[in-house]
Amino acid sequence: DARVTQTPRHKVTEMGQEVTMRCQPILGHNTVFWYRQTMMQGLELLAYFRNRAPLDDSGMPKDRFSAEMPDATLATLKIQPSEPRDSAVYFCASGRIPVSAGGHSYEQYFGPGTRLTVT
Amino acid sequence: QKEVEQDPGPLSVPEGAIVSLNCTYSNSAFQYFMWYRQYSRKGPELLMYTYSSGNKEDGRFTAQVDKSSKYISLFIRDSQPSDSATYLCAMSANAGGTSYGKLTFGQGTILTVHP
Repeated sequence: DARVTQTPRHKVTEMGQEVTMRCQPILGHNTVFWYRQTMMQGLELLAYFRNRAPLDDSGMPKDRFSAEMPDATLATLKIQPSEPRDSAVYFCASGRIPVSAGGHSYEQYFGPGTRLTVT
Repeated sequence: QKEVEQDPGPLSVPEGAIVSLNCTYSNSAFQYFMWYRQYSRKGPELLMYTYSSGNKEDGRFTAQVDKSSKYISLFIRDSQPSDSATYLCAMSANAGGTSYGKLTFGQGTILTVHP
């Protein structure tokens, strides 16, 4: 049963500390997404990789957030320094997204999320 | 104004009721329309997927897309307590370059079906 895994599931940290969240996408998927979900803003796309190359990180605060994909089995999202407003659930999703137009599936498979609290 | 608007509810219905969930959107380039279901403290999971306009039925669930009105709906027949969740609409444009696969989500509607 292939699924996206995320670690840690919960993280409580103090303002100013570095936070690293990890994601293992489903084997064979070529695209990885990072989302943030809050009650106020809903689900927001932060960054997006295809074949490990960053394609779009326009949703991410560049001064403190960074996203990388060091290999096909690992994606990371780092916040340094963290702030209370970063408290949210962070989801990773992966999919087998085609690189050209057509009637293809755009299904994304979500992980269980990392619940981050910054005090 | 957000590209995708969805009433967050909450919506509370009795078991067996027909539930109607809706989203409106402003980007006419959207061609792929999805509904995700998210249980409490879980990640969203794909429920229904529709390409362009029309209807799609899967068991108790029916998805409708009206591109002329920029309006999509999800109907749940004979609703069950196990349907209690947050339902998110999502859309994608059939555009080139980096837009492939990029989804824009609605806020999500919280649904409770009580016995």
